[in-house]
Amino acid sequence: SQTIHQWPATLVQPVGSPLSLECTVEGTSNPNLYWYRQAAGRGLQLLFYSVGIGQISSEVPQNLSASRPQDRQFILSSKKLLLSDSGFYLCAWSVLSDTQYFGPGTRLTVL
Amino acid sequence: GDSVTQMEGPVTLSEEAFLTINCTYTATGYPSLFWYVQYPGEGLQLLLKATKADDKGSNKGFEATYRKETTSFHLEKGSVQVSDSAVYFCALTPSSGSARQLTFGSGTQLTVLP
Repeated sequence: SQTIHQWPATLVQPVGSPLSLECTVEGTSNPNLYWYRQAAGRGLQLLFYSVGIGQISSEVPQNLSASRPQDRQFILSSKKLLLSDSGFYLCAWSVLSDTQYFGPGTRLTVL
Repeated sequence: GDSVTQMEGPVTLSEEAFLTINCTYTATGYPSLFWYVQYPGEGLQLLLKATKADDKGSNKGFEATYRKETTSFHLEKGSVQVSDSAVYFCALTPSSGSARQLTFGSGTQLTVLP
């Protein structure tokens, strides 16, 4: 069966510091991968998606970036965090069908 | 573009009450429709889905029917439990595309009281 992992689970970072969040999927090959952000009390916003290694599509211009160095690894990064980057970050995967399956999420607080 | 509209929350019910959370959508063609549930502090879990008109998705006592004529996918449960307290999201993906992006509604907070 397929599983999706995200880490860290919780992160507190100062403004201006770098960020690296990691997502890995097990039990499947060539998944589509997605990064979403959920701000407090609000819905989900798609940030990036990837259909293959090195292929990244950005949905929202911002100071975040994404990379996919391996087939089942998706990384969300920032060089300098802003207060507005605080939120709950969710990774998701899908294969063939249109159903997306979500990871447990990373709660990021920028102080 | 595609959009999903959910009924505003929060919704508070007593245990064993009937639940309806309304969801309507705007999209071209025949999108796939989903309900996801998010328990406090957790990621989203797929609750049910429907991929074509008149399909009924069901899981854990929850049901939703894909109504093309009214562009709706309302979530229902006959008797809610305290453990159903969560945020519920209606969502859709388009009928084609290499990476079918989910479009979410704003979510509906459900609280069930004992």
